[in-house]
Amino acid sequence: DAKTTQPPSMDCAEGRAANLPCNHSTISGNEYVYWYRQIHSQGPQYIIHGLKNNETNEMASLIITEDRKSSTLILPHATLRDTAVYYCIFSGNTGKLIFGQGTTLQVKP
Amino acid sequence: DTGVSQNPRHKITKRGQNVTFRCDPISEHNRLYWYRQTLGQGPEFLTYFQNEAQLEKSRLLSDRFSAERPKGSFSTLEIQRTEQGDSAMYLCASSSQSREKLFFGSGTQLSVL
Repeated sequence: DAKTTQPPSMDCAEGRAANLPCNHSTISGNEYVYWYRQIHSQGPQYIIHGLKNNETNEMASLIITEDRKSSTLILPHATLRDTAVYYCIFSGNTGKLIFGQGTTLQVKP
Repeated sequence: DTGVSQNPRHKITKRGQNVTFRCDPISEHNRLYWYRQTLGQGPEFLTYFQNEAQLEKSRLLSDRFSAERPKGSFSTLEIQRTEQGDSAMYLCASSSQSREKLFFGSGTQLSVL
């Protein structure tokens, strides 16, 4: 099953950019990188996904390295409400997501 | 957009009893997924449906677990002869097609006493 490597925890000051890294060295050519987050007691929430090119939406930016073996999720101006567990996942045609342990991001005032 | 709905939100049962959870996906989403999550862990994949067909089941899904999606709309997950190790949050998600984002429900928290 697909497996990514993320740091278990990170801190970020409120208002600053949060940069969350992920290694996915076994990703294959047709698999997308997805990021989800989970706030305590809620279901995971989609953030962004991409294949090769960098992506940006209203929530975040996704930077994927040229060899596609790693990526970084950027929350440009973190707020206290961004405190959550962030999951980096890669997935192919089935759409099935295999979650790892994720990164617990603590945004501090 | 009413989102993915799961019922009940909480279920407390005694060991050995059967329980059934229901998931109503977003209308017209043809893919439906079940996950299980224990405290401090990421969600674990259990099974998924495309329309009414169950296309994949995890080896985590023992014989005591069964999932159905009649008519390709709502889905049920039944656990027979519950054990204390079944205590977890059971999450349902749906999507319109492969490679599209999954929308998750709020889950059903099961406690087996």
